[in-house]
Amino acid sequence: GEDVEQSLFLSVREGDSSVINCTYTDSSSTYLYWYKQEPGAGLQLLTYIFSNMDMKQDQRLTVLLNKKDKHLSLRIADTQTGDSAIYFCAEKEDNQGGKLIFGQGTELSVKP
Amino acid sequence: GAVVSQHPSRVICKSGTSVKIECRSLDFQATTMFWYRQFPKQSLMLMATSNEGSKATYEQGVEKDKFLINHASLTLSTLTVTSAHPEDSSFYICSARGGTGTFGSGTRLTVV
Repeated sequence: GEDVEQSLFLSVREGDSSVINCTYTDSSSTYLYWYKQEPGAGLQLLTYIFSNMDMKQDQRLTVLLNKKDKHLSLRIADTQTGDSAIYFCAEKEDNQGGKLIFGQGTELSVKP
Repeated sequence: GAVVSQHPSRVICKSGTSVKIECRSLDFQATTMFWYRQFPKQSLMLMATSNEGSKATYEQGVEKDKFLINHASLTLSTLTVTSAHPEDSSFYICSARGGTGTFGSGTRLTVV
């Protein structure tokens, strides 16, 4: 079946940039998403990118999409301690009723 | 923006009892809602798609008689975990509006 993979952990210092990577398998995905989950909470949609785009920037967040390699990344500039959370990438399966397939989540730890 | 309210946020129940989790769309109508399950340190797995006025669509491997879904109105979907067992302990999250978000805040179920 379709699969989305992420590294599990990332640790950075406050003020540095964070880059969270994700690979996916479904080449028909139209949209790819990044969600943030704080402890014990639901998911917050951070940003998304349409599959015909290479890059999307939204304030401190930059999403890069390499459709050939099926690689998605989220860059957080000037990372703050409040950015500590689990980040999920997800793809929307256009041929499967539009359901979301999530990666395992990357736990970002920001040290002061 | 669109808000999805989910409650209870935390519930502890005894083995063999049933637990109902509610998911409400507060300022929009949701003909479709999605129920996810998340094990510790793992990703979200779609359990079922809840359709207003009709039967829910369950993902492969999810027991429909154990996880009863009712979507009787355009703003409310409920998930009932029947005859709960310790292995049902998990974090359950609902979402609405096309499945790309908005997510509820989740319910932490502990079966003792």
